[in-house]
Amino acid sequence: QKEVEQNSGPLSVPEGAIASLNCTYSDRGSQSFFWYRQYSGKSPELIMFIYSNGDKEDGRFTAQLNKASQYVSLLIRDSQPSDSATYLCAVHRDTDKLIFGTGTRLQVFP
Amino acid sequence: KAGVTQTPRYLIKTRGQQVTLSCSPISGHRSVSWYQQTPGQGLQFLFEYFSETQRNKGNFPGRFSGRQFSNSRSEMNVSTLELGDSALYLCASSPTGDEQYFGPGTRLTVT
Repeated sequence: QKEVEQNSGPLSVPEGAIASLNCTYSDRGSQSFFWYRQYSGKSPELIMFIYSNGDKEDGRFTAQLNKASQYVSLLIRDSQPSDSATYLCAVHRDTDKLIFGTGTRLQVFP
Repeated sequence: KAGVTQTPRYLIKTRGQQVTLSCSPISGHRSVSWYQQTPGQGLQFLFEYFSETQRNKGNFPGRFSGRQFSNSRSEMNVSTLELGDSALYLCASSPTGDEQYFGPGTRLTVT
């Protein structure tokens, strides 16, 4: 079992729709959860982080964490073509290394 | 604050050579991590340095090494380059090792 799992996609959504990206993790001791966006040919960019169960909203982005189910998700409201990128989920515990999933490719079509 | 900087941005080397990549973290960040990214393997962790000490290490051969200086700047070295070392090498800095901020990367091509 991979430590952090994501569906590779592509996830295709029409412009204006809600894109839902999901991630599961195996280590119950994980404490911090991150979402990165990576455009083709560019480096990953941190867009959201969440530490506590529940929802955290930042603009059009909402991160959701459910530690009991070991599940973290990212919702993108009013999706735009400029949101088309690969979204990486990352999980952290104490002073251990940050563990990345392989990413979900999102395509937003006009 | 200025972001993470990496030099050089692009590099072409010949198999068997060695290479040194440099990373300057965000001011005040004490943790620097290095990653290798390839289309087939995704983002793979190489190592993390915190206050000049290697804190975590990934599953890479000993040809890959790194260090961190007292000003938090970091270098990674790859010796005896192989064709499979061609990749985007990313440096990320963090105040604690938690949320990480990536530099633009160094694209290494080994011929």
